Amino acid sequence: TQLLEQSPQFLSIQEGENLTVYCNSSSVFSSLQWYRQEPGEGPVLLVTVVTGGEVKKLKRLTFQFGDARKDSSLHITAAQPGDTGLYLCAGANAGNNRKLIWGLGTSLAVNP
Amino acid sequence: ETGVTQTPRHLVMGMTNKKSLKCEQHLGHNAMYWYKQSAKKPLELMFVYSLEERVENNSVPSRFSPECPNSSHLFLHLHTLQPEDSALYLCASSPRLAVHTDTQYFGPGTRLTVL
Repeated sequence: TQLLEQSPQFLSIQEGENLTVYCNSSSVFSSLQWYRQEPGEGPVLLVTVVTGGEVKKLKRLTFQFGDARKDSSLHITAAQPGDTGLYLCAGANAGNNRKLIWGLGTSLAVNP
Repeated sequence: ETGVTQTPRHLVMGMTNKKSLKCEQHLGHNAMYWYKQSAKKPLELMFVYSLEERVENNSVPSRFSPECPNSSHLFLHLHTLQPEDSALYLCASSPRLAVHTDTQYFGPGTRLTVL
């Protein structure tokens, strides 16, 4: 059974701080997606990473896919209250593309 | 606004009730999904439809019955539910089925409470 472990589970920081959250597995994935879910809403895709070692930037967010395609990290620079939410990672397996493997998420609170 | 709408947003029902959840996507996508999101559990894929045909049923109890009358609409019919079925039910759509780089677009979910 493939699993994705996300850490930390909860994170509360002050506005302006930097942070990194992690998504780890012992399995290889064809691609990995990061979503953000705000209270009362569904998850919204932030990025998809496909190539081992790939780095993608989205404004203050930097995503990295591990060289072996088993793990990923999300780094936020100068966090803002608008970054508050649940960050979910989801892995796709080339053998069963229709079913994403989801992590439990990191719940981030950025305090003004 | 993701282009996927769900109604109702909140639902409280007794174990003997019958109710339905509705999902509509305005994106022209071919694939639609039902997920269950519970506390302390990863998102659970329940059903997958491609061009109105059910292609996946992940061992979901028969008290949940999906229906896809056309590629834009998806329903989840509920009957004789249990309290442990209380959760956020999310609908999603994607342009194609089984393309791992495609984005899934989620609706806001229906918060279901079973008494």
